[in-house]
Amino acid sequence: EPEVTQTPSHQVTQMGQEVILRCVPISNHLYFYWYRQILGQKVEFLVSFYNNEISEKSEIFDDQFSVERPDGSNFTLKIRSTKLEDSAMYFCASSGVVPGTREETQYFGPGTRLLVL
Amino acid sequence: KQEVTQIPAALSVPEGENLVLNCSFTDSAIYNLQWFRQDPGKGLTSLLLIQSSQREQTSGRLNASLDKSSGRSTLYIAASQPGDSATYLCGYGTSYGKLTFGQGTILTVHP
Repeated sequence: EPEVTQTPSHQVTQMGQEVILRCVPISNHLYFYWYRQILGQKVEFLVSFYNNEISEKSEIFDDQFSVERPDGSNFTLKIRSTKLEDSAMYFCASSGVVPGTREETQYFGPGTRLLVL
Repeated sequence: KQEVTQIPAALSVPEGENLVLNCSFTDSAIYNLQWFRQDPGKGLTSLLLIQSSQREQTSGRLNASLDKSSGRSTLYIAASQPGDSATYLCGYGTSYGKLTFGQGTILTVHP
């Protein structure tokens, strides 16, 4: 069964450093998302991406964050200058076809656990 | 701002019991609602998706219902098993795909 994959599974970085989290969505999917979950808290939406541009972003997704689909398979989240409060589990998700159809289920990857020291 | 609340926060039941998990939301302009399970330290596994035009969806021992007018969804698990132990999350979906999650219900099914 197709699945979303994410690399690395764990990343430790120093405050102020740049990190890039990588995701490979399910191959025929069109919509891509990033969420994060701070330990013990709710899963929070960061950004959605469709047709090579951001569809929607949350207040969390400020100028320090960016997303890119550099080729036909990868989807990346970059944090330019990490802060302590960026420590969280970051999840990538993808969904299939155009909204309004029945194939809108979001499939999540296993996550990247980011620790900022 | 959309708020999603899940009740109870935790539930512990003996194997074989039928149980109901509740999810409530504040905005009735829902597009869809997804139920997920999350195992400790893992990602989210999709269980069921209900479109706003639907009232319920079933998959095996799971049944999810949606009542837009009252802002509620329930997940019914029949004949619970120890393998069902996990955190169950509901996600309120908008037409752009953004999911807003509740805090989750931690389910423990003991043999």
